[in-house]
Amino acid sequence: SQQGEEDPQALSIQEGENATMNCSYKTSINNLQWYRQNSGRGLVHLILIRSNEREKHSGRLRVTLDTSKKSSSLLITASRAADTASYFCATDETGANNLFFGTGTRLTVIP
Amino acid sequence: KAGVTQTPRYLIKTRGQQVTLSCSPISGHRSVSWYQQTPGQGLQFLFEYFSETQRNKGNFPGRFSGRQFSNSRSEMNVSTLELGDSALYLCASSPGFDTQYFGPGTRLTVL
Repeated sequence: SQQGEEDPQALSIQEGENATMNCSYKTSINNLQWYRQNSGRGLVHLILIRSNEREKHSGRLRVTLDTSKKSSSLLITASRAADTASYFCATDETGANNLFFGTGTRLTVIP
Repeated sequence: KAGVTQTPRYLIKTRGQQVTLSCSPISGHRSVSWYQQTPGQGLQFLFEYFSETQRNKGNFPGRFSGRQFSNSRSEMNVSTLELGDSALYLCASSPGFDTQYFGPGTRLTVL
């Protein structure tokens, strides 16, 4: 079974707006990672946040982690049409490269 | 560095046959993980190899097996194919216990 649940399942926004996706998970984790997938292709790693970190930035991406609530959020600022993709959170419970993926959020950015 | 490569990219088999998928990790990466992605079950972890040893295994039947060679290249095999094995099979490599880099996947269709 999947470790995480993502919310919302689908999100549609205008170009230039911000997009926020949330991820909840069930057990203790070593780290949490966010990935992007375009139309059934391979996954592209976006950002990794460790369990002792609370916030991390990478370009237009901002990730937060709340281990007490077992939740994370991914914020994409100033969205572009090229950001249209599915976004997955993945948790690493043991640090053993065994990722548990969430259900994904399908983001559509309208030009 | 070249990314993770997977061959073949597309495959069509019939029920009862077996199939072997190949993955070449990023140079220097010793860990290779395999995942199955289906519309119904999402992304699920199959197994992970490190230095030719299977370190982790997901909850899949014994028909799914894998191996890793001394050059870190990995293969996974599925025997006695079932319709439900139709999926995108993704391989990911990692230098250790950290970010995983995914290949483009092999799309398997079982008829």
